[in-house]
Amino acid sequence: KAGVTQTPRYLIKTRGQQVTLSCSPISGHRSVSWYQQTPGQGLQFLFEYFSETQRNKGNFPGRFSGRQFSNSRSEMNVSTLELGDSALYLCASNFGGAAQETQYFGPGTRLLVL
Amino acid sequence: EDQVTQSPEALRLQEGESSSLNCSYTVSGLRGLFWYRQDPGKGPEFLFTLYSAGEEKEKERLKATLTKKESFLHITAPKPEDSATYLCAVQGSSGGSYIPTFGRGTSLIVHP
Repeated sequence: KAGVTQTPRYLIKTRGQQVTLSCSPISGHRSVSWYQQTPGQGLQFLFEYFSETQRNKGNFPGRFSGRQFSNSRSEMNVSTLELGDSALYLCASNFGGAAQETQYFGPGTRLLVL
Repeated sequence: EDQVTQSPEALRLQEGESSSLNCSYTVSGLRGLFWYRQDPGKGPEFLFTLYSAGEEKEKERLKATLTKKESFLHITAPKPEDSATYLCAVQGSSGGSYIPTFGRGTSLIVHP
């Protein structure tokens, strides 16, 4: 069974640019969550999508957005990048209803903003 | 607001030296407490989900336990390959929004 795929794995951008990250969940999983991980703040929840609808949202500014397609693949977008957006962005494929009982994480996309 | 505090921040053990990692939490209506293992440069790997006080789960050298205020991850006779950062997370049911809250993790190094 294939795992969670995230592309690209590494990305370098400059301040003010925008970026789009992609996540393909495990086949059959309809829920995808996104997280930001930094040394200073740890793992922080961004948002969760289920059947193309945003079901939960963390406490991040509107520059962070996402969407999910009918095949469950998800993208997240960060506009007007800031230095503080440098982080590991993790996607999780969720199994187990609304409670997200089991999350399977992808390898992450390492974003560096210069 | 849900909170998770993990201790210690870092732990060094000799191979075979058993120990425990602590996860203290406050949450409105616990739906689940999760343990993950994260290796450098990789995403977290799911280990356990615990739902109610008194519950215990085991996997190889790891055993997770849960009380109403904290969870412990016991590592018995660890090996160098158990070296990783161990993350704890809780999911509450406040307002019907199941947003998980993660702790900062415990970095474990097991020396041969």
